[in-house]
Amino acid sequence: DSGVTQTPKHLITATGQRVTLRCSPRSGDLSVYWYQQSLDQGLQFLIQYYNGEERAKGNILERFSAQQFPDLHSELNLSSLELGDSALYFCASSVVAGGIYEQFFGPGTRLTVL
Amino acid sequence: LAKTTQPISMDSYEGQEVNITCSHNNIATNDYITWYQQFPSQGPRFIIQGYKTKVTNEVASLFIPADRKSSTLSLPRVSLSDTAVYYCLVGDDYGQNFVFGPGTRLSVLP
Repeated sequence: DSGVTQTPKHLITATGQRVTLRCSPRSGDLSVYWYQQSLDQGLQFLIQYYNGEERAKGNILERFSAQQFPDLHSELNLSSLELGDSALYFCASSVVAGGIYEQFFGPGTRLTVL
Repeated sequence: LAKTTQPISMDSYEGQEVNITCSHNNIATNDYITWYQQFPSQGPRFIIQGYKTKVTNEVASLFIPADRKSSTLSLPRVSLSDTAVYYCLVGDDYGQNFVFGPGTRLSVLP
């Protein structure tokens, strides 16, 4: 158990719909990252937040948006869903301890768009 | 952003040592090299991180030559449970500019 929680675990929806994925980082971690992983593909970095502010942006579509709230949990909003958005979405939080920078990944949300 | 190149797949047998090499020719001065392990339908898990020379922990060793343009993850005496995808990651210690490589799918055979 990494300490990062994600809800829901599974999500099935239809094309054109909008969904919200939720992530709670480990206690005390200020950074939250979102990744997308399509079937048998590598991890695609979407976006990073640090203490409520956007810090880095990756290959995130304009139909997707995210935010980090004052309590540090984060939400990833996916709208106008397409079949190709079906994937595993991971959230991670990070810490630097003992000179080691490490990301802790949540269990993921599996999104299926029909 | 440093781009990494890894073998797509590797096969090994139980009890053997496995070495997976990652190329990162454009690594920046303040970049670290990190390796993650991922099992199907699970989030990646940190294995080891290093900046230069050799780093060893309870599960793996990481070898980084002086020019830092490549790194080798060494897994001693692998078991069936080490079958997974291994990612090489290069980025700075502020957590920015981290780019996951394509990953190496390791299959450990009995």
